[in-house]
Amino acid sequence: AQSVTQLDSQVPVFEEAPVELRCNYSSSVSVYLFWYVQYPNQGLQLLLKYLSGSTLVKGINGFEAEFNKSQTSFHLRKPSVHISDTAEYFCAVSVSNAGGTSYGKLTFGQGTILTVHP
Amino acid sequence: DTAVSQTPKYLVTQMGNDKSIKCEQNLGHDTMYWYKQDSKKFLKIMFSYNNKELIINETVPNRFSPKSPDKAHLNLHINSLELGDSAVYFCASSQDPTFADTQYFGPGTRLTVL
Repeated sequence: AQSVTQLDSQVPVFEEAPVELRCNYSSSVSVYLFWYVQYPNQGLQLLLKYLSGSTLVKGINGFEAEFNKSQTSFHLRKPSVHISDTAEYFCAVSVSNAGGTSYGKLTFGQGTILTVHP
Repeated sequence: DTAVSQTPKYLVTQMGNDKSIKCEQNLGHDTMYWYKQDSKKFLKIMFSYNNKELIINETVPNRFSPKSPDKAHLNLHINSLELGDSAVYFCASSQDPTFADTQYFGPGTRLTVL
């Protein structure tokens, strides 16, 4: 079975500083990888996803993530954060079965709370 | 023009009661999901329906019964509520579950069992 580990439960950072939120996964088969963001009292919103192809994925709000198969990682980065980026971020994996399809079953990490200070 | 909506937003009830949470999506998607987010913010899938057919059924007590009257609706009925059922329940939808499509989440229903 697949699993996702987000290495930091909380990341405080100052406005305009760069940030990296770390995510590692374990799976014996091909995976699809996702980052979702949850603002306070709201549902989750997709930031970006990796399905195949280029290992550097660009998402909304200036975020990007890099898929590293050898290190089984999918770290999220932003070169300069804003106050409005304060939220909880979830890394998730969906397993690809034989033939390259998956059944939409997302396994989530524990979440990382990003707090941007002025 | 909310994409995925849930009612109610908050639900407070006593142990042993039966309650339902409703979910509707107006995105024209074929697949809908229920997730449970516990007090530690851990998010776990419970059920998934595709074209009204159950395709994912995780290890969830029989007290939880999803019902999909049509593709746009997926309701969650919970019998004999227990303290451990207190959580935030999220509904989500996607066009196609077989290609890791983006899932769109509702705002959540915070269930508190007293």
